[in-house]
Amino acid sequence: GAVVSQHPSRVICKSGTSVKIECRSLDFQATTMFWYRQFPKQSLMLMATSNEGSKATYEQGVEKDKFLINHASLTLSTLTVTSAHPEDSSFYICSARAGGRVYEQFFGPGTRLTVL
Amino acid sequence: LAKTTQPISMDSYEGQEVNITCSHNNIATNDYITWYQQFPSQGPRFIIQGYKTKVTNEVASLFIPADRKSSTLSLPRVSLSDTAVYYCLRGRDDKIIFGKGTRLHILP
Repeated sequence: GAVVSQHPSRVICKSGTSVKIECRSLDFQATTMFWYRQFPKQSLMLMATSNEGSKATYEQGVEKDKFLINHASLTLSTLTVTSAHPEDSSFYICSARAGGRVYEQFFGPGTRLTVL
Repeated sequence: LAKTTQPISMDSYEGQEVNITCSHNNIATNDYITWYQQFPSQGPRFIIQGYKTKVTNEVASLFIPADRKSSTLSLPRVSLSDTAVYYCLRGRDDKIIFGKGTRLHILP
């Protein structure tokens, strides 16, 4: 199947700093990518939809100025957590749709963010 | 409002067949039913997708009755490595909204 990678796999940062997470589709082009956040023992929560060449669409309650999304190419989307705080510590997962089967997305391995 | 309803958790033993049922009473005509599997600290993985009747692949089977208000994911002869969270989804849009999923625990 199609492969989606994320970098870094885990990151620890100090409170107040910004962290960038990359999501890449390795063997296919993805005009749309999605960003999710998952807290321990909870389900994935959709944060935003990232469209290549246009502004991201954020879900209700997600601060667009805090979670900056850039989808500059058909294979790369980035999520920047600005001025991170301990409550932003979470597992961040991206996904991309490769086309073909309806409602099938390929998910990245996730990025574990810990804010001290 | 949840789009699907599944048991919160299930236990089973190695070698058994496991059936996880999902309820989706308000399924729309164009909706597909899709199941994902997620291991701890990993992204979800697509398992199977169907529209009606039965679909089978190398991993699982998906049974969907004629009224499509429910579906059953069947995992044949489970092993310890099948311990994971299983999500049932309905829809046909790109945007996937995950429910709480079913936490399946396989015992030796």
